[in-house]
Amino acid sequence: DAGITQSPRHKVTETGTPVTLRCHQTENHRYMYWYRQDPGHGLRLIHYSYGVKDTDKGEVSDGYSVSRSKTEDFLLTLESATSSQTSVYFCAISDSAGYLHNEQFFGPGTRLTVL
Amino acid sequence: AQKITQTQPGMFVQEKEAVTLDCTYDTSDQSYGLFWYKQPSSGEMIFLIYQGSYDEQNATEGRYSLNFQKARKSANLVISASQLGDSAMYFCAMRDSSISNQFYFGTGTSLTVIP
Repeated sequence: DAGITQSPRHKVTETGTPVTLRCHQTENHRYMYWYRQDPGHGLRLIHYSYGVKDTDKGEVSDGYSVSRSKTEDFLLTLESATSSQTSVYFCAISDSAGYLHNEQFFGPGTRLTVL
Repeated sequence: AQKITQTQPGMFVQEKEAVTLDCTYDTSDQSYGLFWYKQPSSGEMIFLIYQGSYDEQNATEGRYSLNFQKARKSANLVISASQLGDSAMYFCAMRDSSISNQFYFGTGTSLTVIP
């Protein structure tokens, strides 16, 4: 199994509080991604990173920011959590884009509830 | 624009029968990769099978095969001899060859295997 961990695995927070989710990998993969999964929507890309300090927005980036100061860590921050951000968050990693067959490996997910 | 379309929100199949899960995709790239993932009720995302846009033969992995019809832009997953453990959500995904190396996911199909 690919070495990807997410922390915390579960979190309950209140509207308006900041929240940071951490993704840590031991595979030295270049690409890292944050998704949210909601019923009826599948997986939607929030932000992704193609290298240290290189990040870009995905489909649903409003209200989220990311940082990647080391290859192995990708942080997702909700600056001021809202109830609409209640979701399951997945981190994923992938190796070089030069090989299309390189699949994404997923972390175990973080269940976030915003009250 | 929706890049991956899965039109079957839910499917039922009798144990030991074969089932086809539909997936159509939209891209103007010549080079891309297509993936299927399984998500059981425990929540983890499991990679099943890959098909490259230049692959002339349909991909197979054990009981999984991918019915790739490039002209129709479809990449249907076929599961043969269904087992109770196949009950899960199934996601189709496409990886493009752009520098962003994004993956695009469909909304998923929930498969239930009936004993």
